[in-house]
Amino acid sequence: QVQLVQSGAEVKKPGASVKVSCKASGYTFTSYYMHWVRQAPGQGLEWMGIINPSGGSTSYAQKFQGRVTMTRDTSTSTVYMELSSLRSEDTAVYYCAYQQLVRNWFDPWGQGTLVTVSS
Amino acid sequence: QSALTQPASVSGSPGQSITISCTGTSSDVGGYNYVSWYQQHPGKAPKLMIYDVSKRPSGVSNRFSGSKSGNTASLTISGLQAEDEADYYCSSYTSSSTWVFGGGTKLTVL
Repeated sequence: QVQLVQSGAEVKKPGASVKVSCKASGYTFTSYYMHWVRQAPGQGLEWMGIINPSGGSTSYAQKFQGRVTMTRDTSTSTVYMELSSLRSEDTAVYYCAYQQLVRNWFDPWGQGTLVTVSS
Repeated sequence: QSALTQPASVSGSPGQSITISCTGTSSDVGGYNYVSWYQQHPGKAPKLMIYDVSKRPSGVSNRFSGSKSGNTASLTISGLQAEDEADYYCSSYTSSSTWVFGGGTKLTVL
């Protein structure tokens, strides 16, 4: 049974960076992909990007290019999403979501991490 | 990549059927059979309900079904139950090797 556990809520000031973690268990960490999806308050889901934990390759949505970095630590089966130059519009719940190789859906999802950007 | 288009809200009475549409382009919904649907209750993470347009994961009620015609995918829920009240999102793989979500549909069970 795949399980994803994310780090706790964060409060950041505009211009700062935030790094959210997602620890995976229940499967071979390097055999799958991990996505990051965010949801602003009262809004829909927004795909941010994907990381291949095996080789560390990444692909980001154009909107976040230059501001987002996804990394992984294979020794702890943890992936990270760092978003820089934060602004109030980045206030959202950030989810990690698991994708099996050669599948094109997300299941399961982490519990979500609320990031609040406020001065 | 623009979000897929979903109706903002739909409603139905218990026992009825409803359908939620998800319209994209030939570069996403129309170009691949990689449409998935997610149910999200308030304060909870999304849950996979349909994948590959019409397949149901183990444990998902057979009251949920999916289909696609051209650039529009649809989620149908039959025999509506109070517990189905939630937000629903479609998602599709795209020709840019990215993923895109719909804007979400709020389902109200009257």
